Amino acid sequence: QVQLQESGPGLVKPSETLSLTCTVSGGSISSYYWSWIRQPPGKGLEWIGYIYYTGSTNYNPSLKSRVTILVDTSKNQFSLKLSSVTAADTAVYYCAREVRIAGKGFDYWGQGTLVTVSS
Amino acid sequence: SYELTQPPSVSVSPGQTASIPCSGDKLGNQYTCWYQQKPGQSPVLVIYQDSKRPSGIPERFSGSNSGNIATLTISGTQAMDEADYYCQAWDSSTVVFGGGTKLTVL
Repeated sequence: QVQLQESGPGLVKPSETLSLTCTVSGGSISSYYWSWIRQPPGKGLEWIGYIYYTGSTNYNPSLKSRVTILVDTSKNQFSLKLSSVTAADTAVYYCAREVRIAGKGFDYWGQGTLVTVSS
Repeated sequence: SYELTQPPSVSVSPGQTASIPCSGDKLGNQYTCWYQQKPGQSPVLVIYQDSKRPSGIPERFSGSNSGNIATLTISGTQAMDEADYYCQAWDSSTVVFGGGTKLTVL
């Protein structure tokens, strides 16, 4: 059974960089697309971006200038960096696996981690 | 940018059928997925490729997609189905989520 686990600081100061890691267990990170998705408190889901195991990426245009997603296949991990954060970036951040073949969607999700942006 | 629109809320009586629409320009020309999210939990995929159910999802969940509207249908709705539901599609290579619909079973 594939499991995803987010890790990283729960509190980030405004203007600093948010950094999170997702560790994949129970399966290989190869051959899938791996996304970060966030959800502000009481609001809906927002896709941040994905990385393919080869390192190819694609980001939400609204966040593209501040987002970097990297993959470490040797550790079965991928990571998110979001720069110049503000209070609007406060959210639960999820990592998820996408089977990007003809609309199969996100079949595995992490439990999510709350990141609060505050001084 | 591509947008998916859902009603903020839908109500249904136990045992009845709930329908949750998701509208987007020419949405029927691509696949749509649906996710269920209960309070404090991660989203769960309940429908993919418009109408297919992942293993473990009850048969009462079904989906359709035509024209500009995709619809999630829950037949014989149970109290445990009360949750937020999100549709999801693609705009070229980017992922788009609908705003979510809160399903109330009362």
